[in-house]
Amino acid sequence: KAGVTQTPRYLIKTRGQQVTLSCSPISGHRSVSWYQQTPGQGLQFLFEYFSETQRNKGNFPGRFSGRQFSNSRSEMNVSTLELGDSALYLCASSQTTGGSYEQYFGPGTRLTVT
Amino acid sequence: AQSVTQLGSHVSVSEGALVLLRCNYSSSVPPYLFWYVQYPNQGLQLLLKYTSAATLVKGINGFEAEFKKSETSFHLTKPSAHMSDAAEYFCAVSAYTGGFKTIFGAGTRLFVKA
Repeated sequence: KAGVTQTPRYLIKTRGQQVTLSCSPISGHRSVSWYQQTPGQGLQFLFEYFSETQRNKGNFPGRFSGRQFSNSRSEMNVSTLELGDSALYLCASSQTTGGSYEQYFGPGTRLTVT
Repeated sequence: AQSVTQLGSHVSVSEGALVLLRCNYSSSVPPYLFWYVQYPNQGLQLLLKYTSAATLVKGINGFEAEFKKSETSFHLTKPSAHMSDAAEYFCAVSAYTGGFKTIFGAGTRLFVKA
């Protein structure tokens, strides 16, 4: 099976702009989670989607939003970009089988805000 | 609520020596516990997971971890370090509360000396 793919891999934006990142999960996985990784704050949970519904959300401002499509692909959007939004954004797809839970991570999108 | 504490942001060992990376967690519901490794400019790779089966969990690349409920610990070990083990390691706890949420520790950077 193909792994989790994220596009684009690298992105440079200017303060005040908005950005959309895309994630394609492993075939058959219905859950997608997003994380922000920065040197200062580490890995932080953004949100989790399952069957097009947001099931869980981290402590991020409303500028961060996401959605999931019927084919389980997911997008996250950040509006009014700030310098502090510069980070590696990781997407993970997951499945729960027989009481076991496991996430598979994509390579990430490196966002630089100037 | 969940939390993860990794003791030691940097650990240095000699090649061939024992690797011990410490992780303590808290969770209000039965957790899933994971160790991930991250190489520079890459996503997260799952090393091993605990999902309420055996308390001693074996993972890839010779790593293993022991779940100790009484100590709320999930320390990662490898009997003999290899140069290729140099990377950043993250302990994570996932819990289901209407949806999955994963909290990561701050990470431990492992250095391996020749």
